[in-house]
Amino acid sequence: GDSVTQMEGPVTLSEEAFLTINCTYTATGYPSLFWYVQYPGEGLQLLLKATKADDKGSNKGFEATYRKETTSFHLEKGSVQVSDSAVYFCALNRDDKIIFGKGTRLHILP
Amino acid sequence: SQTIHQWPATLVQPVGSPLSLECTVEGTSNPNLYWYRQAAGRGLQLLFYSVGIGQISSEVPQNLSASRPQDRQFILSSKKLLLSDSGFYLCAWHNQGFTSPLHFGNGTRLTVT
Repeated sequence: GDSVTQMEGPVTLSEEAFLTINCTYTATGYPSLFWYVQYPGEGLQLLLKATKADDKGSNKGFEATYRKETTSFHLEKGSVQVSDSAVYFCALNRDDKIIFGKGTRLHILP
Repeated sequence: SQTIHQWPATLVQPVGSPLSLECTVEGTSNPNLYWYRQAAGRGLQLLFYSVGIGQISSEVPQNLSASRPQDRQFILSSKKLLLSDSGFYLCAWHNQGFTSPLHFGNGTRLTVT
């Protein structure tokens, strides 16, 4: 069946470091791919999305590229801030079935 | 603007008792509706989703069930709760289309004692 696999956390980085959170998926067809973020004490919200192969989603300095050949959608940011501390979830939508990865907790140290 | 209401916010129920969690969406029509359970270290587990009135897809074969009696109403139920049903339940919706993002309710913290 469909699945989403994210790198285990927590991930701890210093401010201004480069961030990569890996995400790979298993799905038939051509799912849409998403990254959601959950800040402390808040609900999940969309961070970015990509709907077809080679699309790049971007928002708030974060980027992710839909790589069909490697079935991946890795999240990157060139210079993280303390305010980026949160839990990040990778997700896919295939035929209205939306499934999530387990989430990756990110801690940014000042 | 569209809003999603989910209640109650917290619930403590004894083992073997029934459950009914309700979710309603305002400001849109014919949304896709979802129930998830969020557990630490396990992410969001898809329980049920619905693309229309009376249409329910189940992802988890357990003692929970879902119903959609009206276009913007989604109900999660159980006839007899188990201890393992404890958790944080999230309702979510999105507009029709595979590229639309999900919008989440505030969740219900269920503790089965």
